[in-house]
Amino acid sequence: DAGVIQSPRHEVTEMGQEVTLRCKPISGHNSLFWYRQTMMRGLELLIYFNNNVPIDDSGMPEDRFSAKMPNASFSTLKIQPSEPRDSAVYFCASTPPGTRQETQYFGPGTRLLVL
Amino acid sequence: SQQGEEDPQALSIQEGENATMNCSYKTSINNLQWYRQNSGRGLVHLILIRSNEREKHSGRLRVTLDTSKKSSSLLITASRAADTASYFCATATTQGGSEKLVFGKGTKLTVNP
Repeated sequence: DAGVIQSPRHEVTEMGQEVTLRCKPISGHNSLFWYRQTMMRGLELLIYFNNNVPIDDSGMPEDRFSAKMPNASFSTLKIQPSEPRDSAVYFCASTPPGTRQETQYFGPGTRLLVL
Repeated sequence: SQQGEEDPQALSIQEGENATMNCSYKTSINNLQWYRQNSGRGLVHLILIRSNEREKHSGRLRVTLDTSKKSSSLLITASRAADTASYFCATATTQGGSEKLVFGKGTKLTVNP
């Protein structure tokens, strides 16, 4: 079975540009999580969805960040406009029904560099 | 705010030795999990221990949980070079009606052949 799929794997952009990160969760999973990982702050939860509905977005840093989940098999995280401090690795993770706080399956991450 | 804090931040051992990593946390938890992250990859779930459990084993992994001290340890026995990775603890809590899984900053383990 395919795991969590993220694209692109690497993104280099200039400050002020819009960045869109994509995630396809494991088929049958109904919770999806977006994380950001930096050396300084470690792994931070940005937002999570349950059954395509955003449940907790308290980790979203500011209005420049937005996330959507239009269906059970696709989610996007958008940064507009991007800033150098957004440089990080962004992970998507998913969990099967009824196990939201248990084993999370992580994608390979998107390494974002904003110049 | 960080819930789990791993100790040490970095650990270097020889192949065959045991590696012990610790995690301390601040609030009551539903469960505690350990994950491994190889360089440039996503996190992989290793083991979960529930708040009413004290010890759990999985292959060469042994996890203990002491809820009175709000701490957990991960022991990797007979380490191998392939165990070189960063190890994270994650605490599952319920805050304000919202369930959260909060990760620590990790212990970077290097196993020298």
